[in-house]
Amino acid sequence: AQSVAQPEDQVNVAEGNPLTVKCTYSVSGNPYLFWYVQYPNRGLQFLLKYITGDNLVKGSYGFEAEFNKSQTSFHLKKPSALVSDSALYFCAVSLYSSASKIIFGSGTRLSIRP
Amino acid sequence: GAGVSQSPRYKVAKRGQDVALRCDPISGHVSLFWYQQALGQGPEFLTYFQNEAQLDKSGLPSDRFFAERPEGSVSTLKIQRTQQEDSAVYLCASSQEVILGSNQPQHFGDGTRLSIL
Repeated sequence: AQSVAQPEDQVNVAEGNPLTVKCTYSVSGNPYLFWYVQYPNRGLQFLLKYITGDNLVKGSYGFEAEFNKSQTSFHLKKPSALVSDSALYFCAVSLYSSASKIIFGSGTRLSIRP
Repeated sequence: GAGVSQSPRYKVAKRGQDVALRCDPISGHVSLFWYQQALGQGPEFLTYFQNEAQLDKSGLPSDRFFAERPEGSVSTLKIQRTQQEDSAVYLCASSQEVILGSNQPQHFGDGTRLSIL
């Protein structure tokens, strides 16, 4: 069965510093990987996805993520954090053979201090 | 509309009552998904439609949960004889289509927060 793990419930970063939000996955086939962001009382917003090709994926708002097959990881990164990046971030995975069903991680709360 | 619209935004019901939650997907989006998000958790898949066909309902927690999309656009999630454990945010998402090898991103509504007393 496929699964996603986000080992950190919360990540705290000072504004202007680089940030990393960790994600590891477990699937039996080729994964599609996603990052979504959720602001309070709102639905999820798509940030970026990995399907195939370059391991470094660039997405919205200056975020990027690196697919590492050997470590089964898909960490979210940004070179310079903004206070407005503070939100709840979800990593998600689906299988090529079952592209409709997405499994989400439990989420990481990112807090950027001024 | 410009995005996925869900109504009502908030719903309070007494245990045992039936509720109906509505989702208006983005116009032209073929695929529609329902998720349940408990407090402090990630969304959990409930069911998936492609047009009017319900292709996957493996995530529905019990036979009290029922979803439909009769004309391939608006969808309704119905919960019968609600229980306190049904309290959660119910999210709807739509995407252009699901093609193997493509996997278009899902666009989410703001959800319906359901509280069962």
